[in-house]
Amino acid sequence: RKEVEQDPGPFNVPEGATVAFNCTYSNSASQSFFWYRQDCRKEPKLLMSVYSSGNEDGRFTAQLNRASQYISLLIRDSKLSDSATYLCVVNVGVRFGAGTRLTVKP
Amino acid sequence: SQTIHQWPATLVQPVGSPLSLECTVEGTSNPNLYWYRQAAGRGLQLLFYSVGIGQISSEVPQNLSASRPQDRQFILSSKKLLLSDSGFYLCAWSDRGSNNQPQHFGDGTRLSIL
Repeated sequence: RKEVEQDPGPFNVPEGATVAFNCTYSNSASQSFFWYRQDCRKEPKLLMSVYSSGNEDGRFTAQLNRASQYISLLIRDSKLSDSATYLCVVNVGVRFGAGTRLTVKP
Repeated sequence: SQTIHQWPATLVQPVGSPLSLECTVEGTSNPNLYWYRQAAGRGLQLLFYSVGIGQISSEVPQNLSASRPQDRQFILSSKKLLLSDSGFYLCAWSDRGSNNQPQHFGDGTRLSIL
């Protein structure tokens, strides 16, 4: 089993839709979790940290489920500009998922 | 504020040639520093990380090496490049002390080996 796994997608959704991604991790000792956004041919940029109690930043909500060892990212009211690849990061050992590609269409 | 500079942005090199990519961080002290490689359409692979001057940990054995001659300078090198070394190389930093801090990335170097 890979240390960090994500559904590669692509997820193709219409504008305004709600979309959710999951990321599973294998190391139960993992302590910190993040979501990054990567645009085509660009560097990853930090989108948000994931806190144990869950956290929200505008249209984005991140959740952590330690029992099942996954984190999730929910995007509400999708915008065209949300089209990107979303990477999850598990910081024990600094492991990146391969990313989930999202395309938001008009 | 902290900034990270990575150069060059693109590089085309012949097989067997040497390589030197440089990364510098400003606005912070004692950062953790990282080199990643991303093959086309793939995830990020951690190559090296450093918690201090002269302290380098290698994640994957290969023909690449890294050095940290100064606190905020991280260099990725190779004596002889292989075709498989093509990819997008990213330098990143994080606050020192733990793995609970997010990384922040430079703009990356796109390396093509001919």
